Amino acid sequence: AQSVTQPDIHITVSEGASLELRCNYSYGATPYLFWYVQSPGQGLQLLLKYFSGDTLVQGIKGFEAEFKRSQSSFNLRKPSVHWSDAAEYFCAVGGGSSNTGKLIFGQGTTLQVKP
Amino acid sequence: DAGVTQSPTHLIKTRGQQVTLRCSPKSGHDTVSWYQQALGQGPQFIFQYYEEEERQRGNFPDRFSGHQFPNYSSELNVNALLLGDSALYLCASSLWHEQFFGPGTRLTVL
Repeated sequence: AQSVTQPDIHITVSEGASLELRCNYSYGATPYLFWYVQSPGQGLQLLLKYFSGDTLVQGIKGFEAEFKRSQSSFNLRKPSVHWSDAAEYFCAVGGGSSNTGKLIFGQGTTLQVKP
Repeated sequence: DAGVTQSPTHLIKTRGQQVTLRCSPKSGHDTVSWYQQALGQGPQFIFQYYEEEERQRGNFPDRFSGHQFPNYSSELNVNALLLGDSALYLCASSLWHEQFFGPGTRLTVL
C-alpha cells in the first residue's frame, strides 16, 4: 500500500538551531517526493520536490531534503531555524502513469520555534 | 499572475444539506485536484479532473462529486452533509507533476 509516515507529530527547536524533519514512504514505483508547509488557516506551499537525479535537493527558504532510496526516506533539513519557520510541515509522495497523479500526504509535523 | 483561488473562504451548513465549493486554477494549468483536510490530519485526495473528466478518485463516497469547466475551473459538490464532512477543502492545480494549492474553503457542518 502507498503511504507516508512522519514519525514526529510535534517538534520544538530553538531559533538558530538546526532542524531535521523525518519522512518515510512506501510506494511501489519510483516516487516523486514533496515537502509542503502550511501556516495556520492557510493552504499548502511547496518547499521542494524530488523527481530524479541528484538526491540532495534545495528548496525555498533555505530548506533542503535528501532522498535515500535504501531507507525509503526523504528527510527535510534546515541549518538554522527562524521564528517564521513555525508551521505545519507535510511530506507527500506522488507519481504513477498519469502525468499528474494524486498526492499521498503524511500526517504532518508541527514545528514550534523557541526564541 | 494569480495563483489558485477558492470560494467561499468559510461555509457553515447543517446536516443533510448540500454544498458547492469552487476553484479557479493557476493560469495555464489544466488539471485540478481536490483534497479534504480534517483537523490535525494531512490532506486526503478526493478526486482529480482533467479535460472535464474525472481522471482519478480517492476513497470517498459518491456523495462527493465534481465538475470541471472548459476554462479549467472546477466545482466540488457534497450532498447529504454529515458532521464528519467538516474540514478544510483544498484545491490544487497542475500542469505536470507539481501541484499548487489554493487557500482552501473551511466547511463546518452543524
